[in-house]
Amino acid sequence: AQSVSQHNHHVILSEAASLELGCNYSYGGTVNLFWYVQYPGQHLQLLLKYFSGDPLVKGIKGFEAEFIKSKFSFNLRKPSVQWSDTAEYFCAVNAANSGQGNLIFGKGTKLSVKP
Amino acid sequence: EAGVTQFPSHSVIEKGQTVTLRCDPISGHDNLYWYRRVMGKEIKFLLHFVKESKQDESGMPNNRFLAERTGGTYSTLKVQPAELEDSGVYFCASSPFRLAGSTDTQYFGPGTRLTVL
Repeated sequence: AQSVSQHNHHVILSEAASLELGCNYSYGGTVNLFWYVQYPGQHLQLLLKYFSGDPLVKGIKGFEAEFIKSKFSFNLRKPSVQWSDTAEYFCAVNAANSGQGNLIFGKGTKLSVKP
Repeated sequence: EAGVTQFPSHSVIEKGQTVTLRCDPISGHDNLYWYRRVMGKEIKFLLHFVKESKQDESGMPNNRFLAERTGGTYSTLKVQPAELEDSGVYFCASSPFRLAGSTDTQYFGPGTRLTVL
């Protein structure tokens, strides 16, 4: 069965620290990969996505993610976090080249950034 | 441009009652998805409409859940009768129609928090 695993439930960092959130997926075919973020009191919104091409993807607000196919991983990184990055982060996949589109999510990682 | 909207934002009902959730997608978006997050668990897919047709309803938990999308615009999700395990946050998302629909960004609504007592 398809699944997404996010390694950390809650991460606490100080401002300016570097961030890496792990994401691994299990799927037998080609996938599209996404990171969504939900800031407190706001909607889920897309941070970045990977479909094909350069496995290093840059998103909004200085985030990036690297797709490593051999490791079935799509880890999210940011070199220097800010207090405003406090949010819950979700990794998701869906089947590539499919009209279905439904996303399979990980359980989410809560990030708390201390000022 | 207005985003995806959902109504109500919160609903508290008793076991056995009926609740109807509404989602208004972004105008012109043919794809509409329903997801649910039970506390402590991952966000899970429920079903997918393309315009007014159900493309995939494999995630619907059981026949107490009924989703409709009349005229291919807004959608409703009715739970009848509600059970305790139905509590959670119900999200709606929409995306434009493309042949390779899976690459589209899905735009999420704020969710409806349903509590069944």
